[in-house]
Amino acid sequence: EADIYQTPRYLVIGTGKKITLECSQTMGHDKMYWYQQDPGMELHLIHYSYGVNSTEKGDLSSESTVSRIRTEHFPLTLESARPSHTSQYLCASSEEGPGETQYFGPGTRLLVL
Amino acid sequence: AQSVTQLGSHVSVSEGALVLLRCNYSSSVPPYLFWYVQYPNQGLQLLLKYTSAATLVKGINGFEAEFKKSETSFHLTKPSAHMSDAAEYFCAVSHANTGNQFYFGTGTSLTVIP
Repeated sequence: EADIYQTPRYLVIGTGKKITLECSQTMGHDKMYWYQQDPGMELHLIHYSYGVNSTEKGDLSSESTVSRIRTEHFPLTLESARPSHTSQYLCASSEEGPGETQYFGPGTRLLVL
Repeated sequence: AQSVTQLGSHVSVSEGALVLLRCNYSSSVPPYLFWYVQYPNQGLQLLLKYTSAATLVKGINGFEAEFKKSETSFHLTKPSAHMSDAAEYFCAVSHANTGNQFYFGTGTSLTVIP
């Protein structure tokens, strides 16, 4: 059973607010990922990390930022939320190596008014 | 470049009928292929994966998929649909040259009719 957690599960905020979406995993995985998911669309990778102090941007341009200070923690921050940021955000983690399964958290559904 | 095409954004089957969800991939190198299921308001859960061992892969909940290199396909099947199978299904591809980055299809929503 994968152990990866995301908080909050749901968030409604006003435009211009700063928010942080939390993601934690207890599996000791080095690799972690953030995806953005909209209805009827594929998951888009927005950030990933190979390990502590490593962060990379994914294929989809995003105004969010991430940090990886601890292996188990990979928070995503939006400095100034806008309605265009309304989406579902999924966090995942995996072992290092080709063909490894990515394990997903339950997601955070964000609505920016 | 890697990509995944899932034919049919919505599939409806009767309870007890065969489930067939289609997935075609493009990859210039041998792929790793995955099927995930997503229930409402939840994350993605792995159903099964292909990693260059047996071409017929069995997964959880009675699902299986067959890797066909000549057809670049990895279709998901289940002999008899159950009401609890109603969910969104995603196919994904990765390979060694992309650092295990996944490329997902747009998903297929499965409805099971009682």
